[in-house]
Amino acid sequence: SQQGEEDPQALSIQEGENATMNCSYKTSINNLQWYRQNSGRGLVHLILIRSNEREKHSGRLRVTLDTSKKSSSLLITASRAADTASYFCATGGVNDYKLSFGAGTTVTVRA
Amino acid sequence: DGGITQSPKYLFRKEGQNVTLSCEQNLNHDAMYWYRQDPGQGLRLIYYSQIVNDFQKGDIAEGYSVSREKKESFPLTVTSAQKNPTAFYLCASSPGERNEQYFGPGTRLTVT
Repeated sequence: SQQGEEDPQALSIQEGENATMNCSYKTSINNLQWYRQNSGRGLVHLILIRSNEREKHSGRLRVTLDTSKKSSSLLITASRAADTASYFCATGGVNDYKLSFGAGTTVTVRA
Repeated sequence: DGGITQSPKYLFRKEGQNVTLSCEQNLNHDAMYWYRQDPGQGLRLIYYSQIVNDFQKGDIAEGYSVSREKKESFPLTVTSAQKNPTAFYLCASSPGERNEQYFGPGTRLTVT
């Protein structure tokens, strides 16, 4: 079942700008993860944030989690052409360790 | 793509034939997963395995089968019972529960 829903579906920005995408989910989670997928390739793990955490940083990435609103956001600062990809959120359940993926946000960074 | 290999990258089959997709990992991970991705969609879980000789159905297991005879290997068979098998198939592994997953490069299967 697809629990996470990303918004927007697609995003086009100029190089150097920030990109923000959101993920909403329906049921309680143990953790939320963000992945990147370049066209036709496998997914690459970016960040994992646990349900008791509110914010996490990794390089130019910043993830927030609001469990009261059942939502998360991924911010990519100072975007580069290499950031062009699809970004997926995935939720890890409380009672199992399967991940439920959203449909993704496609980000295009224009030079 | 980490230490997970999937082969082949592209696979073509005629309708009615079974086909097996390979997935091997050298990360010493206990858990392995198979996902299906259709255009413009997220990943849907087919099967997963927490430990050797044990596996569970995911959300869309009908028409698929797996085995986990070795820790390193988790092959997926797409049977002729799968109604719409053309898709991009991704294998992943994880060190354990509630951890990040590491993905292979994927196999694009086309059935005509």
